[in-house]
Amino acid sequence: GAVVSQHPSWVICKSGTSVKIECRSLDFQATTMFWYRQFPKQSLMLMATSNEGSKATYEQGVEKDKFLINHASLTLSTLTVTSAHPEDSSFYICSANPFETQYFGPGTRLLVL
Amino acid sequence: EDKVVQSPLSLVVHEGDTVTLNCSYEVTNFRSLLWYKQEKKAPTFLFMLTSSGIEKKSGRLSSILDKKELFSILNITATQTGDSAIYLCAVEAGEKSSGDKLTFGTGTRLAVRP
Repeated sequence: GAVVSQHPSWVICKSGTSVKIECRSLDFQATTMFWYRQFPKQSLMLMATSNEGSKATYEQGVEKDKFLINHASLTLSTLTVTSAHPEDSSFYICSANPFETQYFGPGTRLLVL
Repeated sequence: EDKVVQSPLSLVVHEGDTVTLNCSYEVTNFRSLLWYKQEKKAPTFLFMLTSSGIEKKSGRLSSILDKKELFSILNITATQTGDSAIYLCAVEAGEKSSGDKLTFGTGTRLAVRP
C-alpha cells in the first residue's frame, strides 16, 4: 500500500516563531496532497490542497499568508505555520490519494506556547 | 504499533440495500473510535464512539463499538446514491499526555448504484 510520512511527529515552539511540517509520499508520486487540521474532539478540517508545481488551493477561512504550502517535488509537500500563536496549536495531518484511496500521514502535533 | 483495519476495502450495492462496514483495531490505551465520510475533499465527521454497546444513530446511519472484541461497525440502511463515498475509521489512542493522536484505517469505498 501507499505510505505517507510526516515530520516532525510533534513540535513545541514559542509564539511568534515559524514551524515547517513535511509530508512525504514514500513509495508513490503525488501531484496532489491535502493538509488537514484537527482540534481536539473535532473532525478533520481540510486546510488546503497542495499541488505539485503550482499554487496551493486554500479552503475558505484559511489564511494563505499564515499557512505557507510548498509542493516542489512529486514526493514532498511542506506546510509552514508562520508567526505561530497558541491558537494554532493543533494536530496537522496530510494525505494523498494516489490510487483513489486516501492515505493519511501519521500527523504532527503542534503546541505553541 | 497502533493498527486500524477496515473491511471490505470496496463495496458496490444497489439503492435500497443495507450495508455494514467493519473496523477493527489494535491500539494501546484506546480512547475513542471515529467514523468519517469522505467524498471529494475533506472527510466529514459521522460518529465518535467511546463506550461499548451504545448505538449511535443519525438518520439512516448507525454505529456501535465493541471494546471487548476491538471492533466497530457502521450500518447504512436504505442506501442512496448520495451515500457513495469513502468511509474512514480512525482510533484515538495513547496516553492523554501524548496528545490526540489518530490512527486511521485506509477506508471502505462504497458505491451505490441506482
